[in-house]
This record gives sequence, structure tokens and C-alpha cells, in this order.
Amino acid sequence: DTAVSQTPKYLVTQMGNDKSIKCEQNLGHDTMYWYKQDSKKFLKIMFSYNNKELIINETVPNRFSPKSPDKAHLNLHINSLELGDSAVYFCASSQKGQRGFQETQYFGPGTRLLVL
Amino acid sequence: AQTVTQSQPEMSVQEAETVTLSCTYDTSESDYYLFWYKQPPSRQMILVIRQEAYKQQNATENRFSVNFQKAAKSFSLKISDSQLGDAAMYFCAYRRNFGNEKLTFGTGTRLTIIP
Repeated sequence: DTAVSQTPKYLVTQMGNDKSIKCEQNLGHDTMYWYKQDSKKFLKIMFSYNNKELIINETVPNRFSPKSPDKAHLNLHINSLELGDSAVYFCASSQKGQRGFQETQYFGPGTRLLVL
Repeated sequence: AQTVTQSQPEMSVQEAETVTLSCTYDTSESDYYLFWYKQPPSRQMILVIRQEAYKQQNATENRFSVNFQKAAKSFSLKISDSQLGDAAMYFCAYRRNFGNEKLTFGTGTRLTIIP
């Protein structure tokens, strides 16, 4: 069973288009994240949601809009795609542990986005 | 701001030998977690090992172990009996406990296993 899944795995699109990436986790976790991995493999947090509420927004352009319909899903919508948006986008999830902070983050397989 | 530094962009090791990947970090926090993630060519991010800062004992997971030096802010990963399947990018990551609990990653070390 896939713990954290993302669709699609690959996305090729033209500059200026709008696209969405979906993420689902079946781990029962209460927190979900989006990370971006650039062409040099550098990984950086974009957003985090806890129980459908935005808790981290790391100065991401407002063309990126995350949406969490429930705590098992966190989707990423990108408007007016630019060449620089080409990257691998990873979804992750975690659960608050007994000590009151988040436990280990588990990652989805990634979505490779190519903007032409 | 927290930073994570991996000073070895590439490493290689003979199959069955031992290799150590280095990682240093900078933080003013005292309560945090450190992680090593592996990213094989499949692109999947796989947790290798984790260490909670308040625990003095170094974490081990089968052939993987860490050398955690809190005062020096150093967190190296040792892979024993290297196998072909260990070939991957390895990322060191830091996460504070409480507050902004994002993962801050290093730039990665590409590990090649020589048969």
C-alpha cells in the first residue's frame, strides 16, 4: 500500500498555463508539506498544513496556492507557470508525537514538472 | 536561521567497504532532530536514520550508523559493508522541535558504489 502518493508523476506544460498536483496520504497523519527540489537537487520547504490549516508558507510566490480539503489531502495549484517553476515537487506527511512535536516526515514519490 | 552543510558533493566506495558522509549544521536551538534521507535514481526520498538531539547515544539502523557530536554540531553517516543498492544521493536534514517544524536540507552527497 502506498503511504504518500502524488499525481501525476510527470507533468509537461507550456509557460503561462495553470496546473495542479495532488497528494494523498493514508498514514493518518495530521500534517502535510510541499517541498521543491530544483535542478541542482536542492530541497526546500514551500508549505505546511496541519489539520487543513496553513502553518508554514516560505515566501512562495502567490501563483502557488495549496489547498487541503481534508487532512489526508494536500493539493498544489500553480497559476501562470514560468520556466523557473520546472522542478520536482515532493509531498510529505508527519504526525504529532507524544512529546508534542511532529515526528518523522515521509515523502511521496515526487512530481517532475517541466515548463516549456 | 538554521543551515545544514554537506561538504562532500561526491563520494565513492568499493563494494563491501565502509564510507562516512559528513554533515554539519548551525542552530541556536537545543531541542531538534537530525535525519539522513537517501534519494536513489528512482527519485523517492527514503528515511535512512534519525537522531534526536537530547539523546547522547548514536543511532544505528543495521549497516547505517551516525556519529552525532552535539557540541561540534556534526552529524556524520557511516555506511558499513557498502552494497550496490546504497548508490544514491544522501541528504542530511535538520528539524527543530516545536514552532516551524520544516526540514532544512543540506545540498546532498552523491554516493557511488564501485563493484
